[in-house]
Amino acid sequence: QKEVEQNSGPLSVPEGAIASLNCTYSDRGSQSFFWYRQYSGKSPELIMFIYSNGDKEDGRFTAQLNKASQYVSLLIRDSQPSDSATYLCAVDNHMRFGAGTRLTVKP
Amino acid sequence: EAQVTQNPRYLITVTGKKLTVTCSQNMNHEYMSWYRQDPGLGLRQIYYSMNVEVTDKGDVPEGYKVSRKEKRNFPLILESPSPNQTSLYFCASRDRGRQETQYFGPGTRLLVL
Repeated sequence: QKEVEQNSGPLSVPEGAIASLNCTYSDRGSQSFFWYRQYSGKSPELIMFIYSNGDKEDGRFTAQLNKASQYVSLLIRDSQPSDSATYLCAVDNHMRFGAGTRLTVKP
Repeated sequence: EAQVTQNPRYLITVTGKKLTVTCSQNMNHEYMSWYRQDPGLGLRQIYYSMNVEVTDKGDVPEGYKVSRKEKRNFPLILESPSPNQTSLYFCASRDRGRQETQYFGPGTRLLVL
């Protein structure tokens, strides 16, 4: 069974801090990686995707991929209370998801 | 407005009573899929379709059927629902080969008594 693992949290950070979310995957052949944000009671929305090793930045979000170690992470800089949500990691063409990490940003 | 719609949004039913959850997208996407979301288990793919008349099983297909007769529609059918199918269901669509274009529908919360 190909697996995607995330810490369920909750992860709590103060407003303005950096939130770091991690995801590991078991299939060494995986090629595409996605981070979704899901607010309570809402559907997931894509916030970042990364295909190559290294960092990819988009505003306050940075995705980091290390295929050798089979992990992908999401950094949120200058965290805001509006970032409080569950963050889902997804891997590959048919989108195998992790269980998600719940993030709370405290004012 | 680009969107994926699902109906109904909420459904309470009884064991064994056949039901259909509809999904429709207006983005001309080739790829559509169904997921269920359960606490602690995340999103799990039930079925996917890469084009009209082409469907395939995801990770948890047991107890579900799908059809893709038109590009825009991808209904999920539970022919004999059981309580373990109580869940939150999401339909999604995207361009084939471009996972970053994926949109999710608003979700259907199903309770099977």
